[in-house]
Amino acid sequence: GAVVSQHPSRVICKSGTSVKIECRSLDFQATTMFWYRQFPKQSLMLMATSNEGSKATYEQGVEKDKFLINHASLTLSTLTVTSAHPEDSSFYICSASPQGSEKETQYFGPGTRLLVL
Amino acid sequence: GESVGLHLPTLSVQEGDNSIINCAYSNSASDYFIWYKQESGKGPQFIIDIRSNMDKRQGQRVTVLLNKTVKHLSLQIAATQPGDSAVYFCAENGGYGQNFVFGPGTRLSVLP
Repeated sequence: GAVVSQHPSRVICKSGTSVKIECRSLDFQATTMFWYRQFPKQSLMLMATSNEGSKATYEQGVEKDKFLINHASLTLSTLTVTSAHPEDSSFYICSASPQGSEKETQYFGPGTRLLVL
Repeated sequence: GESVGLHLPTLSVQEGDNSIINCAYSNSASDYFIWYKQESGKGPQFIIDIRSNMDKRQGQRVTVLLNKTVKHLSLQIAATQPGDSAVYFCAENGGYGQNFVFGPGTRLSVLP
């Protein structure tokens, strides 16, 4: 149990376009979902915390207008990278905390590799 | 987005030997710690966790040790196998209700 999926698994886009990444909890409901970014040979950096039905909380230095997060249901959160540029190329990973659990319990998705040309 | 010149610390061990991966954490308020394994191109996978009221916890082939005095965490893997090759991250919670912070990671390479 506790499976989290991401779609797409990898995407290549042109500079200036927008890309939407979906994160789904497949067999549980998630009140809270987290979005991370990971550059090559680096650790995971939390970008934002997404709560169902409310606005996302962004970490310092992450532009909320650049990285739009929507958490419209208890099983789906989306991250849209708007007007993507080559420096946005990265591995984007989401995680989900089951409803009723603490933030401590996070199940991670398989990640989405974004390459902006 | 890539930072030139950054290299993950690497630990190379012979298959069958024991591995010890270390992690220094920074926040004395952290009271919950997790070790994750990340294979290339995949998301992190939970390995084992420990709370600050313990100094040792064992799982299947893995043991986590916590030294709160020096804010140090270690992951021991017994009889390391090729499938253990991955990057290992420690994560600390920064105190109850805070967001987890991941360590820099260590790449484990298992030699045949």
